[in-house]
Amino acid sequence: DTAVSQTPKYLVTQMGNDKSIKCEQNLGHDTMYWYKQDSKKFLKIMFSYNNKELIINETVPNRFSPKSPDKAHLNLHINSLELGDSAVYFCASSQASVTYEQYFGPGTRLTVT
Amino acid sequence: SQKIEQNSEALNIQEGKTATLTCNYTNYSPAYLQWYRQDPGRGPVFLLLIRENEKEKRKERLKVTFDTTLKQSLFHITASQPADSATYLCALEEDNAGNMLTFGGGTRLMVKP
Repeated sequence: DTAVSQTPKYLVTQMGNDKSIKCEQNLGHDTMYWYKQDSKKFLKIMFSYNNKELIINETVPNRFSPKSPDKAHLNLHINSLELGDSAVYFCASSQASVTYEQYFGPGTRLTVT
Repeated sequence: SQKIEQNSEALNIQEGKTATLTCNYTNYSPAYLQWYRQDPGRGPVFLLLIRENEKEKRKERLKVTFDTTLKQSLFHITASQPADSATYLCALEEDNAGNMLTFGGGTRLMVKP
């Protein structure tokens, strides 16, 4: 069984478009995250979200917005895509109230042309 | 500014030897430090967590040390195997940061048979 899944795995789109990446976890975790890994392989936190609180990394443009329809899902919406948004985006989850280890999804490679 | 530094150069070792990877940080007061493994095209996988009041943690062939005075963690893999070849990432979260992790740039380990 897949613990943290993301769709799509690959996403190619043009500048200016709006796109979404979906994330689902079946671990019963209370906290989910989005990370961006750029071409230099640096993994940067974008958001942390549980059912009480959204924490946003201050460096993330407001074109990016997480949306959580329920506890098991945290989707990432990106408006007005730019070339610099090209990267691999990882979703992760943890049971933050119990342990700190995070479980990552397989990643979505976004290419903006 | 806060920094987490890992040796960006690949570490090449012979099978059976001990691999030692370094994680140095500045301007952090971490409650704990984590190590993850990342294989190409995949999301990071949690390996070990060590708390600020712990000096050493072991798990099978893995050992992590944490020196808050030196602001350094060492990650050891004993009796290394070619299957251990991957990129290893250290990650920190400061107190009260919503479990948001900041990752180092990772060190690529290559174990040759």
